[in-house]
Amino acid sequence: EIVLTQSPGTLSLSPGERATLSCRASQSVSSSYLAWYQQKPGQAPRLLIYGASSRATGIPDRFSGSGSGTDFTLTISRLEPEDFAVYYCQQYGSSQRSFGQGTKLEIK
Amino acid sequence: EVQLVESGGGLVQPGGSLRLSCAASGFTVSSNYMSWVRQAPGKGLEWVSVIYSGGSTYYADSVKGRFTISRDNSKNTLYLQMNSLRAEDTAVYYCAREGGYCSGGSCWGQFDYWGQGTLVTVSS
Repeated sequence: EIVLTQSPGTLSLSPGERATLSCRASQSVSSSYLAWYQQKPGQAPRLLIYGASSRATGIPDRFSGSGSGTDFTLTISRLEPEDFAVYYCQQYGSSQRSFGQGTKLEIK
Repeated sequence: EVQLVESGGGLVQPGGSLRLSCAASGFTVSSNYMSWVRQAPGKGLEWVSVIYSGGSTYYADSVKGRFTISRDNSKNTLYLQMNSLRAEDTAVYYCAREGGYCSGGSCWGQFDYWGQGTLVTVSS
């Protein structure tokens, strides 16, 4: 099983600032089969990024993903009020999929 | 339009059983890999199980031997049979469609569509 570790656990920033979220895998994620999701309270997760760096349909270009192998990053270039939420990375390169434990992005 | 609607959640005693359903519309469940994901109250997402288009199934170690994923192609519905339930299985259970990579009539990959979730509470 591939274990994903996200950091930091909580990130406190202000609107307009840049957010950088990290996801580290316990072993290499094949073919960069890594995705990022956003979840707000009481809602199902929403796909943001797939294939480590491709934006899903309708996702603003302030969201970007990068990385390969075992280290991946989600960057939000300029935070909007609606971006404060919990973010999860997930790998789908192995038969046992897995999620990171999440990063809570909160308003400072 | 793709839609996933879960049902079957509720209160069950420890050691009991429950079957969750996920009715799909807008696509064919047998053409996509389908997963179950759960979220305990106040906790993060935990992947539970996947069924491939060809019928192969895989499980998280935490549910292996107790949960069974299946589908009914005629009803276009995904299921999760949960046996020997424990308090730690209490969670909102989501079904999710995998998509993005298609070959030979089968699609898999990132979780591009999710249901609204159904709550399972295991308590005496």
